[in-house]
Amino acid sequence: GESVGLHLPTLSVQEGDNSIINCAYSNSASDYFIWYKQESGKGPQFIIDIRSNMDKRQGQRVTVLLNKTVKHLSLQIAATQPGDSAVYFCAEMTTDSWGKLQFGAGTQVVVTP
Amino acid sequence: NAGVTQTPKFQVLKTGQSMTLQCAQDMNHEYMSWYRQDPGMGLRLIHYSVGAGITDQGEVPNGYNVSRSTTEDFPLRLLSAAPSQTSVYFCASSYEREGSPLHFGNGTRLTVT
Repeated sequence: GESVGLHLPTLSVQEGDNSIINCAYSNSASDYFIWYKQESGKGPQFIIDIRSNMDKRQGQRVTVLLNKTVKHLSLQIAATQPGDSAVYFCAEMTTDSWGKLQFGAGTQVVVTP
Repeated sequence: NAGVTQTPKFQVLKTGQSMTLQCAQDMNHEYMSWYRQDPGMGLRLIHYSVGAGITDQGEVPNGYNVSRSTTEDFPLRLLSAAPSQTSVYFCASSYEREGSPLHFGNGTRLTVT
């Protein structure tokens, strides 16, 4: 993701709707991607990951899509719930430099009733 | 199973003081790392370790030292704190293999006056 200084992009979603969070990654050599969720006062929490040899991966209520051609990653959350309100980060790395994650700036998701 | 534990949760230092941020994990993870998070930005890698006795620099290492004498512990030292080091610090760990995403602690909020 791109840095937007002090103001995070915000996605407002109505409870029950689907959410789509987008991320543009920077390194064409990255081959492992992770989505994290961060609630206020807590550390990032793993949601789902995907390797570069895949273009889609599904978890419980979440789907990650990877488009390597345009270096784009998205996270889809089905039937968004109030507990999904948080900041979401995408992160990228190359598996030959294990653990050196490059994080995007994050997207604030606000779920409204 | 406590996961990744960071202490203290909050700390206020004066410019020039030193301190150590503690991090411990009980998952027998080879890989450990320290990130800092500043408002409106993603996390940036400070230092990391791929095993006991091995450490290396990340993206923003200046002003910080680390050591890894045991698999479980990875302390971060500030030798002479500066206001620019005011931030939230996160420790993370993982197995050093694909499909093993980083697990984060809940952070230490540091203020340097």
